[in-house]
Amino acid sequence: GENVEQHPSTLSVQEGDSAVIKCTYSDSASNYFPWYKQELGKRPQLIIDIRSNVGEKKDQRIAVTLNKTAKHFSLHITETQPEDSAVYFCAARYNNNDMRFGAGTRLTVKP
Amino acid sequence: KAGVTQTPRYLIKTRGQQVTLSCSPISGHRSVSWYQQTPGQGLQFLFEYFSETQRNKGNFPGRFSGRQFSNSRSEMNVSTLELGDSALYLCASSGSAGSVSPLHFGNGTRLTVT
Repeated sequence: GENVEQHPSTLSVQEGDSAVIKCTYSDSASNYFPWYKQELGKRPQLIIDIRSNVGEKKDQRIAVTLNKTAKHFSLHITETQPEDSAVYFCAARYNNNDMRFGAGTRLTVKP
Repeated sequence: KAGVTQTPRYLIKTRGQQVTLSCSPISGHRSVSWYQQTPGQGLQFLFEYFSETQRNKGNFPGRFSGRQFSNSRSEMNVSTLELGDSALYLCASSGSAGSVSPLHFGNGTRLTVT
């Protein structure tokens, strides 16, 4: 089955700096890559996703890039704010197979 | 639309007991997935149901089982509870068959086994 690795496990940045989280996947057939944000005590919520036929997608301060050849994708957050502090999960899925998640990255944005 | 609803929010059980968790998906969603979340372990996939059929299954022992009803509501059952089963159990629904539908999570059921 699909295996997703996520790095780093913790990330601390100063407010206003950028944050980058990287994930690799094992199944070259995977074609859907979402990112979820989970604030303390809350449910994971989708923040951005990308399909395998697209190399990059942006939504305001958030962007995701996908390198199918290398089988990795990354989340980029620019101009970080304290409210960006949360655990971020990447995931990958191929067709009707189950969605597999990375182990998560705890992002702390220091004011 | 109402979101994914999970009941109960909290459960405290004793080792050896069994427990049933319930999940009501977003109206119109036919796929329901279950995940176990423990500190430091991320989201571990349990199983997925689509149109009352188990479509995918994770690497959990047979003590973990589930089912889906004709209205897409799903239940998860854990028998002979162990201390290590203490976790947040998350249910997620998605809109259609196929891989490009995102998962929409409920708030979870926090199970504590003593």
